[in-house]
Amino acid sequence: EAQVTQNPRYLITVTGKKLTVTCSQNMNHEYMSWYRQDPGLGLRQIYYSMNVEVTDKGDVPEGYKVSRKEKRNFPLILESPSPNQTSLYFCASSLSGRTDEKLFFGSGTQLSVL
Amino acid sequence: AQSVTQLDSQVPVFEEAPVELRCNYSSSVSVYLFWYVQYPNQGLQLLLKYLSGSTLVKGINGFEAEFNKSQTSFHLRKPSVHISDTAEYFCAVGDYKLSFGAGTTVTVRA
Repeated sequence: EAQVTQNPRYLITVTGKKLTVTCSQNMNHEYMSWYRQDPGLGLRQIYYSMNVEVTDKGDVPEGYKVSRKEKRNFPLILESPSPNQTSLYFCASSLSGRTDEKLFFGSGTQLSVL
Repeated sequence: AQSVTQLDSQVPVFEEAPVELRCNYSSSVSVYLFWYVQYPNQGLQLLLKYLSGSTLVKGINGFEAEFNKSQTSFHLRKPSVHISDTAEYFCAVGDYKLSFGAGTTVTVRA
């Protein structure tokens, strides 16, 4: 089954404790992206990757890092989480990143930073 | 720069009644338009999209949307909703990049 898999589903952490949210897709997609979803703000893009070793900032990249060492994986790293990063996070992928393509989304990671 | 405005943040509706979710956008170039749905505790999934051609687009689960270039709108409609349509709906616009609206929460009641 074609899917985007995120882990963990829920995460509670404390300020400053480094964490990683994993994302993997099994569709051989070139493009992957991370979004955060906040009430009243919709989805905002954090980082995206057009292919292996090619990453770029989205609209709200501050406080986040990503890497794309393999085509299928695109982890999101919070080196020093802060409470304003409490949010619902989604990983997404598409075939090549063109804006006319369908995005496939993971089930989300609800992060709480205390 | 483009922007996407979903005009209603919450839409309560009774089962079997029609529903319309409004989406307006601004962009200086031609755009692609999408509606995504997020069911409780799930990721977003594509309902329908407009790329070109007929301005009336039909999607999954009985939804349809109409592209109106002069009014820069892409409203989503369903003639008769079910309890299972309770979800959050996102309009998205793509020109050089894809931007999402703030979302509309639809709650269907019996």
